[in-house]
Amino acid sequence: AQSVTQPDIHITVSEGASLELRCNYSYGATPYLFWYVQSPGQGLQLLLKYFSGDTLVQGIKGFEAEFKRSQSSFNLRKPSVHWSDAAEYFCAVGDPYSSASKIIFGSGTRLSIRP
Amino acid sequence: DVKVTQSSRYLVKRTGEKVFLECVQDMDHENMFWYRQDPGLGLRLIYFSYDVKMKEKGDIPEGYSVSREKKERFSLILESASTNQTSMYLCASSLGTRQETQYFGPGTRLLVL
Repeated sequence: AQSVTQPDIHITVSEGASLELRCNYSYGATPYLFWYVQSPGQGLQLLLKYFSGDTLVQGIKGFEAEFKRSQSSFNLRKPSVHWSDAAEYFCAVGDPYSSASKIIFGSGTRLSIRP
Repeated sequence: DVKVTQSSRYLVKRTGEKVFLECVQDMDHENMFWYRQDPGLGLRLIYFSYDVKMKEKGDIPEGYSVSREKKERFSLILESASTNQTSMYLCASSLGTRQETQYFGPGTRLLVL
């Protein structure tokens, strides 16, 4: 069964600084990979997803993520964060060979922005 | 845009009450999901449905049931609410049977006293 780990519970970065949120997965083959963001009081919104092909994926709001098979990682990056990026970020993994549409979520990383 | 709505944003119930959480999606999606979200645990799948009247247990179905009588509506039922069911409940929907993007509602924060 697949699983996903987000090792950082809480990260604080200064506005304008670069950001990298870590995500590691466990799966026997190449899974489907997702990053979602949850702003305070809101539901989750998809930032980006990887199914196959180019391992560098561009998403909304200036985010990107890189799939690295050798490291079983799918880290999320942004070159310059804005105060509005303060939110909780979830990495998720899905099984491409499953007929169901279930995905497994990590425990989340809360991002705070220092003015 | 896909819209997933949940009947309540906040709900306060007493232990032992029967609780209904309603979710409606407007994009003719096949799949619908109920998750609970707790600090440090992320989202955990309670139940999902891939068609009307069809349902499958997720990772934590105990104490919950679901109903899907119409394609656009998926209800989560707490037969006898307990304090350990105090949580944020999120509904989601997706288009088909592959790993499609899931679209989420705003959540219902349930407090069981």
